[in-house]
Amino acid sequence: GDSVTQMEGPVTLSEEAFLTINCTYTATGYPSLFWYVQYPGEGLQLLLKATKADDKGSNKGFEATYRKETTSFHLEKGSVQVSDSAVYFCALSDNAGGTSYGKLTFGQGTILTVHP
Amino acid sequence: NAGVTQTPKFRVLKTGQSMTLLCAQDMNHEYMYWYRQDPGMGLRLIHYSVGEGTTAKGEVPDGYNVSRLKKQNFLLGLESAAPSQTSVYFCASSFLGGNTDTQYFGPGTRLTVL
Repeated sequence: GDSVTQMEGPVTLSEEAFLTINCTYTATGYPSLFWYVQYPGEGLQLLLKATKADDKGSNKGFEATYRKETTSFHLEKGSVQVSDSAVYFCALSDNAGGTSYGKLTFGQGTILTVHP
Repeated sequence: NAGVTQTPKFRVLKTGQSMTLLCAQDMNHEYMYWYRQDPGMGLRLIHYSVGEGTTAKGEVPDGYNVSRLKKQNFLLGLESAAPSQTSVYFCASSFLGGNTDTQYFGPGTRLTVL
């Protein structure tokens, strides 16, 4: 079945540092890939997505590129801020065998803490 | 718009008790989902619905029932709560339910079963 693996956390960075959170996946169809972010005490919200190979999703300074050859969708940001402290989830939605009905398979989440 | 709302925000149950979690969305979305979030495991799909009057099982459906009597509401029931159901429960909705669609999440319900 489908699965998503994220790098182990937690990740602690100083403000303005470079961020990478690794994400790899296995899927039987042609998945769409997502990064969701969960700020403290809130639900998840979409950060960015990519729907086909070589697409780059971007939002709020974050980027991730859909790499089919390495089955990866790593999240990057050039300069993090304290306000980026949150839990980040990589996810996929696979349409193998027909419609997926949008069902998401999530990674385990990576806790990011950014210090001033 | 309120988006996706969940009631209650917190609940403590004793083993064997029952309860219903309510999810409501005001975006006229067709698809709705219930997930549970456990430490180190991400979110796992419990049940989902592709429209009013329809429901389907997700990855971890055992011990839960759902109903979608109105398009805007999706209820999650626990008939006989167990400590293994201690978790944070999230409801989500999406417009068409395709694999490219964005899901919109509620703020969550933190449930503790003693």
